[in-house]
Amino acid sequence: GQQVMQIPQYQHVQEGEDFTTYCNSSTTLSNIQWYKQRPGGHPVFLIQLVKSGEVKKQKRLTFQFGEAKKNSSLHITATQTTDVGTYFCADIIDRGSTLGRLYFGRGTQLTVWP
Amino acid sequence: DSGVTQTPKHLITATGQRVTLRCSPRSGDLSVYWYQQSLDQGLQFLIHYYNGEERAKGNILERFSAQQFPDLHSELNLSSLELGDSALYFCASSPRSTGRVRINEQFFGPGTRLTVL
Repeated sequence: GQQVMQIPQYQHVQEGEDFTTYCNSSTTLSNIQWYKQRPGGHPVFLIQLVKSGEVKKQKRLTFQFGEAKKNSSLHITATQTTDVGTYFCADIIDRGSTLGRLYFGRGTQLTVWP
Repeated sequence: DSGVTQTPKHLITATGQRVTLRCSPRSGDLSVYWYQQSLDQGLQFLIHYYNGEERAKGNILERFSAQQFPDLHSELNLSSLELGDSALYFCASSPRSTGRVRINEQFFGPGTRLTVL
């Protein structure tokens, strides 16, 4: 099956520092979705990337999809304590019998020190 | 609040028992997905239903089964429970794809925390 590798597993930053998490696959990804899960909470959708080389921004968050569609990244500029949580990437299958199935990376747990 | 509801919130049971987890999707969403989240396995896709029909199966054990009813709510049945089944079980719903966008975001419920003793 699909394997989506996500690094790093943990990241501790001082408030105001930048943060990046990477999602990699040995096979071409269909589409990438990013989710955030706060401690004790449930995953919440952040964004979906579909096109090769796509870059999308949401305030301090920048999402990129690699040219070969084998990797993606999420970069947060000037982290805040509200950014604490686990960030997951997910490969979502867009065709065939497994349409809509998500393969999640293991997530990057972000801790922000005030 | 995602609009997806799951009951119960917590469930504590013994090995060998059977439990049923319930999920109500967002109003109008036809797709329901079930996921298992554990420390060692991460977030694992179990099964996907669309408008009452099974669409895709993931890492779902034979001891587990699910169904989606005409009112679109879904149930996940876990039987012959083992200690390793202790996990957080999420349900997510997704609207029907329209136009050129075939994939939609999934809205996760708050989860059911299952503890098998």
